[in-house]
Amino acid sequence: QSALTQPASVSGSPGQSITISCTGTSSDVGGYNYVSWYQQHPGKAPKLMIYEVSNRPSGVPDRFSGSKSGNTASLTISGLQAEDEADYYCSSYTSSSTLDVVFGGGTKLTVL
Amino acid sequence: QLQLQESGPGLVKPSETLSLTCTVSGGSISSSSYYWGWIRQPPGKGLEWIGSIYYSGSTYYNPSLKSRVTISVDTSKNQFSLKLSSVTAADTAVYYCARPLAAAGPFDPWGQGTLVTVSS
Repeated sequence: QSALTQPASVSGSPGQSITISCTGTSSDVGGYNYVSWYQQHPGKAPKLMIYEVSNRPSGVPDRFSGSKSGNTASLTISGLQAEDEADYYCSSYTSSSTLDVVFGGGTKLTVL
Repeated sequence: QLQLQESGPGLVKPSETLSLTCTVSGGSISSSSYYWGWIRQPPGKGLEWIGSIYYSGSTYYNPSLKSRVTISVDTSKNQFSLKLSSVTAADTAVYYCARPLAAAGPFDPWGQGTLVTVSS
């Protein structure tokens, strides 16, 4: 069982917006602004899309945005495109024991 | 542009030690403020952080794997390595090397990954 909880799947039509949630605790998501989001296409390595809750690395389209409220972080993709179909994983720093990194179980995004 | 490439055996026997190397190109592994890390993904499952190392040698390990993991840096070869001892079938996974911007991430860029199967 993953430390962070994500929905198993979400879907949307081209041009629409979707949001993926990532729920943790006050020891991880809720306690620190160190939430990241990764996109993974089949057979490929993950790619960083969002870091520190809402920052986009250079080259990531501004259609991707992140936010956080309490113990839940969210990734929103607006203007959905076919190439956005992939698995998405959230990650957070956690201080539950020693320095540790926890990931969500992943969300499969289907573009209808 | 920084690039990372994993290498090592694709098949390891149970109870033995898994050893992987990550070769860094496009930058020096000993550059100040650089961390280096390993993450794995069992087939069809999610991601799991294994550990990170600072360029100076300080290490940070996943508490659930700490007793079996060693990460080290070889500055002369611009490489860093992962050793995981006493492996079982549960350690079968795609192993990725990546650069965390801090000890606990975020991780960017990633290597392409290498599948390691634990089987007799």
